[in-house]
Amino acid sequence: EAQVTQNPRYLITVTGKKLTVTCSQNMNHEYMSWYRQDPGLGLRQIYYSMNVEVTDKGDVPEGYKVSRKEKRNFPLILESPSPNQTSLYFCASSLNPGHNEQFFGPGTRLTVL
Amino acid sequence: GQQVMQIPQYQHVQEGEDFTTYCNSSTTLSNIQWYKQRPGGHPVFLIQLVKSGEVKKQKRLTFQFGEAKKNSSLHITATQTTDVGTYFCARGWGSNYQLIWGAGTKLIIKP
Repeated sequence: EAQVTQNPRYLITVTGKKLTVTCSQNMNHEYMSWYRQDPGLGLRQIYYSMNVEVTDKGDVPEGYKVSRKEKRNFPLILESPSPNQTSLYFCASSLNPGHNEQFFGPGTRLTVL
Repeated sequence: GQQVMQIPQYQHVQEGEDFTTYCNSSTTLSNIQWYKQRPGGHPVFLIQLVKSGEVKKQKRLTFQFGEAKKNSSLHITATQTTDVGTYFCARGWGSNYQLIWGAGTKLIIKP
């Protein structure tokens, strides 16, 4: 089954404790992206990757890091989480984002205390 | 310049009434995509519009792309409880073909 998986689905952590949210897709998509979703703000892009070893900042990259060492995986790293990073995070993949549909993971709800 | 304005933010309807959400841009859109997000779920692709004046239908859903390619709409006829959720538009942007998202319209069925 074609899908995007994310882990964990839920995470409660404390300020400053490094964490990683994993994302994996099995559709051989070149493009992958991370979004955060906050009430009333829609989806805002954090980082995206056009291909292996190619990543770029989206609209709200501060406080986040990503890597793309393999085509299927695109982890999101919070080196020192802060409460303003409490949000719902989605990973997505597509052949080409502006011209092809994006497939989303189930989401990760992160709370930073 | 590249932002898309989506209205309304919320729409409350009785089951069986129609629902419409609008997406507007000050610049010409190369394409527009529509997604649906059920409560507690993730966005799911519905459709992409590319051509000026394009109209596409999916059962009770009608999608339109304006003649000037600066606006788009999604219309649902005779809403059902299964239609509940938030509907997003998204435009392609830039050489890397990023997607720029509208803020979404939440469809709420009145009890």
